[in-house]
Amino acid sequence: KQEVTQIPAALSVPEGENLVLNCSFTDSAIYNLQWFRQDPGKGLTSLLLIQSSQREQTSGRLNASLDKSSGRSTLYIAASQPGDSATYLCAASGFGNEKLTFGTGTRLTIIP
Amino acid sequence: DVKVTQSSRYLVKRTGEKVFLECVQDMDHENMFWYRQDPGLGLRLIYFSYDVKMKEKGDIPEGYSVSREKKERFSLILESASTNQTSMYLCASSSAAEGWDYGYTFGSGTRLTVV
Repeated sequence: KQEVTQIPAALSVPEGENLVLNCSFTDSAIYNLQWFRQDPGKGLTSLLLIQSSQREQTSGRLNASLDKSSGRSTLYIAASQPGDSATYLCAASGFGNEKLTFGTGTRLTIIP
Repeated sequence: DVKVTQSSRYLVKRTGEKVFLECVQDMDHENMFWYRQDPGLGLRLIYFSYDVKMKEKGDIPEGYSVSREKKERFSLILESASTNQTSMYLCASSSAAEGWDYGYTFGSGTRLTVV
């Protein structure tokens, strides 16, 4: 059974710094990995999707990487802003299995 | 843009009531999912559906049922609400035809409180 872990559970960073959020998974036979953002009391917003054949995806100040052999994905945020404050979740799916397994998230606070 | 709409943002129901949570998507997606989210436990899959009238149990189906009579609508039913079903409920959809090219799209969530 796939297990997804995100450490740390919470992170505070001064505005303007670059930062990395970590995601690890136990079963390397994943199909895709998706990063989401969740604001308090709201639903999930998809940020980046990395397919199994890819190693990274970029969108604006965000870059997500995937290393299946080590069971890790990272989300890099450049030049952080207070508006980046939110909980970030990663989720993985297996081949022939459309169900996503989620990590418990990292709550990010950007300090102005 | 794909839109997944959950009919209620907040609901308060009494113990023992039958509760319906509605979810509608507008992009002809085959797959639809219901998750609940609790502090410290993350998102857990309740039920999912690959097609109309099809349903499969997720990780925590006990106390819930679902209905998918039309492709765009996926309903979660709490047969007899209990206080331990107080939670945030999230609906999602994805396209099977396009594979995983676009991943999941989530609704904005329904915060259910059972008193």
